[in-house]
Amino acid sequence: AQSVAQPEDQVNVAEGNPLTVKCTYSVSGNPYLFWYVQYPNRGLQFLLKYITGDNLVKGSYGFEAEFNKSQTSFHLKKPSALVSDSALYFCAGTASKLTFGTGTRLQVTL
Amino acid sequence: DGGITQSPKYLFRKEGQNVTLSCEQNLNHDAMYWYRQDPGQGLRLIYYSQIVNDFQKGDIAEGYSVSREKKESFPLTVTSAQKNPTAFYLCASNPGTLYNEQFFGPGTRLTVL
Repeated sequence: AQSVAQPEDQVNVAEGNPLTVKCTYSVSGNPYLFWYVQYPNRGLQFLLKYITGDNLVKGSYGFEAEFNKSQTSFHLKKPSALVSDSALYFCAGTASKLTFGTGTRLQVTL
Repeated sequence: DGGITQSPKYLFRKEGQNVTLSCEQNLNHDAMYWYRQDPGQGLRLIYYSQIVNDFQKGDIAEGYSVSREKKESFPLTVTSAQKNPTAFYLCASNPGTLYNEQFFGPGTRLTVL
């Protein structure tokens, strides 16, 4: 069975500092991996995805993620956090059916 | 303006009542999905449909029913058999391939009184 894990319920970072939201996956075969963001009482918005090719994927709002096959990870990163980045972030992966992680709440403070 | 709409935004239901949540898309997507979101549990798949007049159960289909009579519409009925229906319900769509991201509606928050 495939699974996606987000080991941190919450990540706190100061504005201007780099941020990392962690994601590991257990998906057989070649995985397709996604990051989504959710603001309060809203639907999910797509940020970026890894399909194949370059392990560093760039997405919306300055976010990027690095696919690491040996560590089965797909961590979300941003060089300089903004207060407006505060939200709930979901990692998702699939080889046959899309599976979501439990989400990580990112809190960016001044 | 393309996208997915869900209605209503908030829904209150008495125990023992069935309710239907609406989901409409004008993205011309073949596949549509219903998820349930509970705090700390991420998104769980209820039902999905890859083509009109066909749908499959997801991980937590018990107590729910769907129909897909039109490509644009995928309504979800929460029946009285669903033990804990209070949750945030999200509808999504995509062109139907695994490597395409899903587009989500704004959600419906269902509360059972």
